[in-house]
Amino acid sequence: AQKVTQAQTEISVVEKEDVTLDCVYETRDTTYYLFWYKQPPSGELVFLIRRNSFDEQNEISGRYSWNFQKSTSSFNFTITASQVVDSAVYFCALRVYNFNKFYFGSGTKLNVKP
Amino acid sequence: ETGVTQTPRHLVMGMTNKKSLKCEQHLGHNAMYWYKQSAKKPLELMFVYSLEERVENNSVPSRFSPECPNSSHLFLHLHTLQPEDSALYLCASSQDRAAGNTIYFGEGSWLTVV
Repeated sequence: AQKVTQAQTEISVVEKEDVTLDCVYETRDTTYYLFWYKQPPSGELVFLIRRNSFDEQNEISGRYSWNFQKSTSSFNFTITASQVVDSAVYFCALRVYNFNKFYFGSGTKLNVKP
Repeated sequence: ETGVTQTPRHLVMGMTNKKSLKCEQHLGHNAMYWYKQSAKKPLELMFVYSLEERVENNSVPSRFSPECPNSSHLFLHLHTLQPEDSALYLCASSQDRAAGNTIYFGEGSWLTVV
């Protein structure tokens, strides 16, 4: 069975702080894909990153970085020098090769205060 | 500017009304999806269309009726809904149904059933 766990329900930080959002996944498939989406209050789910199971390289995109570790089944997301505009709900998701369903975590609400 | 647009953004309807949600994707994708997002629940996949053919229906009540007239448009027809159907309805699209493809979401339609 597939499962994504985002244990942090809500996080509050002050602007310019670094923050890490945790994501732990479960699957027995060897081929799978991991995603992060951002959902601001407007509702749209904004795609941030996709990673496949064969690529464990960490990625950095501006203030965003992702740490993929197969050994711990984790795909954590770090925002450096957070800004108020980063306030949103962030979802981690898993998709396995043999199934077409997205398995979403329950989301982490990030509040960045000025 | 999002590649997936949904209208209306907000809809309030009575339980005896008939209304429709519309989705249009400008990405040249072949697969389209309807998701439901309720408060404090994970995203629920409702329907999947591939090349205008419905390929998945996740035990959705018949009061929700999808329609995909072409690969760019997707509708969700609503009739005799219940208050518990109030939620954010998200349309999405992807190149095709392969697991490695990113799914791009629209801004969602906030539905309130009174």
